[in-house]
Amino acid sequence: KNQVEQSPQSLIILEGKNCTLQCNYTVSPFSNLRWYKQDTGRGPVSLTIMTFSENTKSNGRYTATLDADTKQSSLHITASQLSDSASYICVVTSPDYGNNRLAFGKGNQVVVIP
Amino acid sequence: DTAVSQTPKYLVTQMGNDKSIKCEQNLGHDTMYWYKQDSKKFLKIMFSYNNKELIINETVPNRFSPKSPDKAHLNLHINSLELGDSAVYFCASSQISGTYNEQFFGPGTRLTVL
Repeated sequence: KNQVEQSPQSLIILEGKNCTLQCNYTVSPFSNLRWYKQDTGRGPVSLTIMTFSENTKSNGRYTATLDADTKQSSLHITASQLSDSASYICVVTSPDYGNNRLAFGKGNQVVVIP
Repeated sequence: DTAVSQTPKYLVTQMGNDKSIKCEQNLGHDTMYWYKQDSKKFLKIMFSYNNKELIINETVPNRFSPKSPDKAHLNLHINSLELGDSAVYFCASSQISGTYNEQFFGPGTRLTVL
């Protein structure tokens, strides 16, 4: 069973609307959680990184939240734009893995339509 | 300006052939990685090198052989290609001693085995 589960698997939203993506993880102990954006045909690009002591972090219209107690994170996209169409991948690291090993979710596929 | 670059971007080849994918990073990082992303978009780590030394070697067929001539390069050689090797391969790099050990990904190489 994957240690990082994301929902919904895919999402279609109207341009200008907001949306929230969910990430639940079972990785323990926990070092940090990252959200990556992957455009079609490109490599993942980091949006936010949070340690267990951080509850929220923003990057422009992207806001990530983290509840380390319930092992849940969300990524909120505000006032979506067509360029937000991408896969959003939740990634968790554990000190048990060594800092160079990551546990990946399968991604939330977001399509923004005009 | 490209931080992590890969060549070629596309690779189409026949079953049984041997091929190589090259990766270079100009970020001065000490660690490099190879990931495989299958048709379901799931990223799986294959190898990781720290200062030219292999530190992660997941359950990957020994037909796959990484080579790191120096810290800035990590090439992937694949022998006797099989249909199941068709995927997108991503190179990444990071500085393990960094606060978050953030990984920067290359643009990917789409390998198609016919």
